Amino acid sequence: GAVVSQHPSWVICKSGTSVKIECRSLDFQATTMFWYRQFPKQSLMLMATSNEGSKATYEQGVEKDKFLINHASLTLSTLTVTSAHPEDSSFYICSARDWQGGGSGELFFGEGSRLTVL
Amino acid sequence: AQSVAQPEDQVNVAEGNPLTVKCTYSVSGNPYLFWYVQYPNRGLQFLLKYITGDNLVKGSYGFEAEFNKSQTSFHLKKPSALVSDSALYFCAVRDSQGGKLIFGQGTELSVKP
Repeated sequence: GAVVSQHPSWVICKSGTSVKIECRSLDFQATTMFWYRQFPKQSLMLMATSNEGSKATYEQGVEKDKFLINHASLTLSTLTVTSAHPEDSSFYICSARDWQGGGSGELFFGEGSRLTVL
Repeated sequence: AQSVAQPEDQVNVAEGNPLTVKCTYSVSGNPYLFWYVQYPNRGLQFLLKYITGDNLVKGSYGFEAEFNKSQTSFHLKKPSALVSDSALYFCAVRDSQGGKLIFGQGTELSVKP
């Protein structure tokens, strides 16, 4: 299947700093990417939908100024956690849809990024 | 609003026995249904999907799922469980308009030797 690469896998930062996480579709173009957040032993919560060349669509309750999303190309979306605090510590997972010429297009997921804010 | 429910937080199975992980859904229109598996500290791996056609869908690693429209269910099954199948399993639904993927709460499958 299609490959989605996410970087970094692990990141530890100090409170108040900003962290950028990259999500790349390696062998397909993704006009839409999705960012999820997952707490231990819990489900994935959709944070935002990232659209290439336009502003991201955020889910209710997600602070757009806190979680900056940029989708500058068809293969790259970035999530920046600004002024990180310990409560932002979580597992962040991106995904991209491979439309395969307009078909159903299942989502392919990155390996996730574990953020720990000290 | 669309939703997915996985009624069991955990399923325990002996190796070699059949396994079932349950999923029910609620969506307007025809559902697109998916199963994903997650190993610790990893992303999600796609197992199988139902879009249309045969109600029994076969997927990766010997898994299959049966779509039941009258019961609005999409249970994941495998005839003979392996210890390596132990992981967190997520059912997900996306409506036919190509909308967001909504996940169930996940079911932790534990297969003991």
